[in-house]
Amino acid sequence: DAGVIQSPRHEVTEMGQEVTLRCKPISGHDYLFWYRQTMMRGLELLIYFNNNVPIDDSGMPEDRFSAKMPNASFSTLKIQPSEPRDSAVYFCASSAGLAGSETQYFGPGTRLLVL
Amino acid sequence: AQSVTQLDSQVPVFEEAPVELRCNYSSSVSVYLFWYVQYPNQGLQLLLKYLSGSTLVESINGFEAEFNKSQTSFHLRKPSVHISDTAEYFCAVSRGNTGFQKLVFGTGTRLLVSP
Repeated sequence: DAGVIQSPRHEVTEMGQEVTLRCKPISGHDYLFWYRQTMMRGLELLIYFNNNVPIDDSGMPEDRFSAKMPNASFSTLKIQPSEPRDSAVYFCASSAGLAGSETQYFGPGTRLLVL
Repeated sequence: AQSVTQLDSQVPVFEEAPVELRCNYSSSVSVYLFWYVQYPNQGLQLLLKYLSGSTLVESINGFEAEFNKSQTSFHLRKPSVHISDTAEYFCAVSRGNTGFQKLVFGTGTRLLVSP
């Protein structure tokens, strides 16, 4: 398997623009996670899905952020409008099974810079 | 709620020297413990995990970690590091036993191995 795939790897945009980050999880994994990594706050879980259904979005910072998973092989994280404080590395991860013991497999991340 | 403390933000060490990366957790219930490693410009990948049983767990590349319940610690050690071990290391905890629980990550420790 190719692992978790994310695109784009880098994104530079201007404040106010819409940003869409994409993720393809590992085939067969039924959990998908979106994380944000910053120097100030470390790794934060934004939202996670089980079988394409959002389960917990309590980590989504505000209404400007939205995430969807239209099918088992694709998810998007959208920021509209973007702000400079959204600059971070965004990771997608997937796992199989329900238990907290399951390993999460991370994609390479999208490095977002909002000017 | 669970929390993780990684006391050292950066650990410089010479090649072939031993290293210990410290991790302490806080939880009132049983936990699962993980160490993830992030190489430059890559996503996180699992290094090792403790779920139950033997308190000493090992990775395939020579790292080991010991679960110490009385000290609520899960320190990562390697007797002899290589240049290629240069990376950021994250300790993480999830609540054990009862279904899926979110992973809570520490702030990371950057291991810098020099010749």
